Amino acid sequence: DAGVIQSPRHEVTEMGQEVTLRCKPISGHNSLFWYRQTMMRGLELLIYFNNNVPIDDSGMPEDRFSAKMPNASFSTLKIQPSEPRDSAVYFCASWYNEKLFFGSGTQLSVL
Amino acid sequence: KQEVTQIPAALSVPEGENLVLNCSFTDSAIYNLQWFRQDPGKGLTSLLLIQSSQREQTSGRLNASLDKSSGRSTLYIAASQPGDSATYLCAVKDTDKLIFGTGTRLQVFP
Repeated sequence: DAGVIQSPRHEVTEMGQEVTLRCKPISGHNSLFWYRQTMMRGLELLIYFNNNVPIDDSGMPEDRFSAKMPNASFSTLKIQPSEPRDSAVYFCASWYNEKLFFGSGTQLSVL
Repeated sequence: KQEVTQIPAALSVPEGENLVLNCSFTDSAIYNLQWFRQDPGKGLTSLLLIQSSQREQTSGRLNASLDKSSGRSTLYIAASQPGDSATYLCAVKDTDKLIFGTGTRLQVFP
């Protein structure tokens, strides 16, 4: 298994642009999590899905952030419009047998 | 609200030393606790998982203990090696979510 796959690995964009981050979880894992990591705030849970259904989005910073999981093998996290304070590493992780498996992350820089 | 704290924030030790990383949490009503390793520019890798009913788990040179009543866990690394250099994070399972600590950045020098 290739593990959790995220794309792109790096994204540099200008303030105000739309950003879409993508995630392919490990096949058979039925829960998916989006995290954001910064030096100041550490690892923060943004949203998670069980069986493609959003369960808790209380960590989503504001309405500029949205996430979807149209099927068991794909999820997106969208920021529109992006702001410099959104710069961070965004991780996707899938859950199986009480363990969390992380992707390599997307390094987002908003100028 | 569950809060997870890790001490120290950073640690630098010579190769061969045994060392202990600490994790504390404010709400003892947890389902389990997990220790992760994060290498620079990479995602997190699960090292050990301790269920709430367990006291410790071992994997190779790693041993993790859990004392739920006092809200503490320790990760013991025996005979440290330069390859152990990474950031170590603990996370407690709170209902359906994992709450992460801020991590301990470990450097093991030859």
